[in-house]
Amino acid sequence: GAVVSQHPSWVICKSGTSVKIECRSLDFQATTMFWYRQFPKQSLMLMATSNEGSKATYEQGVEKDKFLINHASLTLSTLTVTSAHPEDSSFYICSATGLSNEQFFGPGTRLTVL
Amino acid sequence: GENVEQHPSTLSVQEGDSAVIKCTYSDSASNYFPWYKQELGKRPQLIIDIRSNVGEKKDQRIAVTLNKTAKHFSLHITETQPEDSAVYFCAATFNTNAGKSTFGDGTTLTVKP
Repeated sequence: GAVVSQHPSWVICKSGTSVKIECRSLDFQATTMFWYRQFPKQSLMLMATSNEGSKATYEQGVEKDKFLINHASLTLSTLTVTSAHPEDSSFYICSATGLSNEQFFGPGTRLTVL
Repeated sequence: GENVEQHPSTLSVQEGDSAVIKCTYSDSASNYFPWYKQELGKRPQLIIDIRSNVGEKKDQRIAVTLNKTAKHFSLHITETQPEDSAVYFCAATFNTNAGKSTFGDGTTLTVKP
C-alpha cells in the first residue's frame, strides 16, 4: 500500500517556540493531505485540509494563524505550530489521499510543550 | 456537516467470541465508509471499507455491513483474538469533498484470553 511518512516522530519544545512537522507521501502523489490532532483516548479531530498549491481549508475553531499549513508539492505538506503552549501538546497525524478516497496515515508526531 | 456516532465506546469479549461495533451517520451524501484499527501511540490502520453501492463486505474474520436507508454501518469481528485488542474507529466520507472523513469517537475493544 501507499506509504506516508511524518517527521519528527516526537518533539519537546519550550512554550512560545514554533515547531514544524513534515508529512510526505513516499510512493504516490497526494492530491489532498489532511492534518489531525488526537488527544489521549479521543478520536481524530480534523484540523485542516491541504491541497497542493492552494491555501489550506481549516475546520471551525482551528486558528489558521497558529497552525500554519504549507503544501508545496504533491508529496509534501508541513504543519507549523506557532508560539506553542502546553495546551497544544497532542498527537498530530497527517494523512494523504490519491485518486481514491482511501486515506493513508502518517505515523504521527507526539508534541510536548513544556 | 456530517455527524458520526459510534457505539459502544468500550467492548470486552472473551477470546473466540464475536464483536460488533455500530456507527450511524447523518449526511446521506456520504458514500465511503472505512474502519480503522489504532493501537496505542500508532497510526490508524485501514482494516476494511465499504462503498455506498455495496451492502456487505467480508475479509476473513472481518465484515462490514451498510444500511444506506437507515444510515448505519457495522463492523463484525468473528473468532476474536487477543491481538484484536485496540481502538476501532469508523468514518464517513463524502466523495466530492476530496475524501474528507468524519470519524466516530472510537471503540476500545478488549479481547480476554
